[in-house]
Amino acid sequence: AQSVAQPEDQVNVAEGNPLTVKCTYSVSGNPYLFWYVQYPNRGLQFLLKYITGDNLVKGSYGFEAEFNKSQTSFHLKKPSALVSDSALYFCAVWTSGAGSYQLTFGKGTKLSVIP
Amino acid sequence: NAGVTQTPKFQVLKTGQSMTLQCAQDMNHEYMSWYRQDPGMGLRLIHYSVGAGITDQGEVPNGYNVSRSTTEDFPLRLLSAAPSQTSVYFCASWGRGEQYFGPGTRLTVT
Repeated sequence: AQSVAQPEDQVNVAEGNPLTVKCTYSVSGNPYLFWYVQYPNRGLQFLLKYITGDNLVKGSYGFEAEFNKSQTSFHLKKPSALVSDSALYFCAVWTSGAGSYQLTFGKGTKLSVIP
Repeated sequence: NAGVTQTPKFQVLKTGQSMTLQCAQDMNHEYMSWYRQDPGMGLRLIHYSVGAGITDQGEVPNGYNVSRSTTEDFPLRLLSAAPSQTSVYFCASWGRGEQYFGPGTRLTVT
């Protein structure tokens, strides 16, 4: 069965510093990987995805993620954090096949950017 | 396009009551799904549908029913509400390689 792990419940970073939010996955076959962001009392917003191609994926709001097949990781990064980046971030993997289709989420990482 | 819409935004139920959470999308997406979000648990899939007339169970289906009579609508029914179903519920549809989420319904069962 597919699974996604976000090893850090919370990440604190100073404004202007680079940030990384970690994600590892376990899935048979080629993964379709996603990052979503959730602001307080809001739904989830799509940030970026990896389907195939370049291992470095660029997304919304200056975020990027690096797909590493050997380490089964898909870490989210941003060169310079903003206070407005403070939110809950979810990594997810999409799998389909054998009549089953689903997006499996990690438990989320709370990012706090400190002014 | 309105995208994915959900009603109501908030609901309080007593244990044993039933209700239906409404979800609609206007993007002509075949795939729709329901998740619940609980603190520290991420989002867990309840049920999903790959098209009108086709539904299947996700990770946590017990206590919930769904149906898909049209492409646009995918209601979630709570048959007999329990306090363990207190949660935030998100509906989503899949299209063009990504999933679009509704704004959520915050449900409290007392």
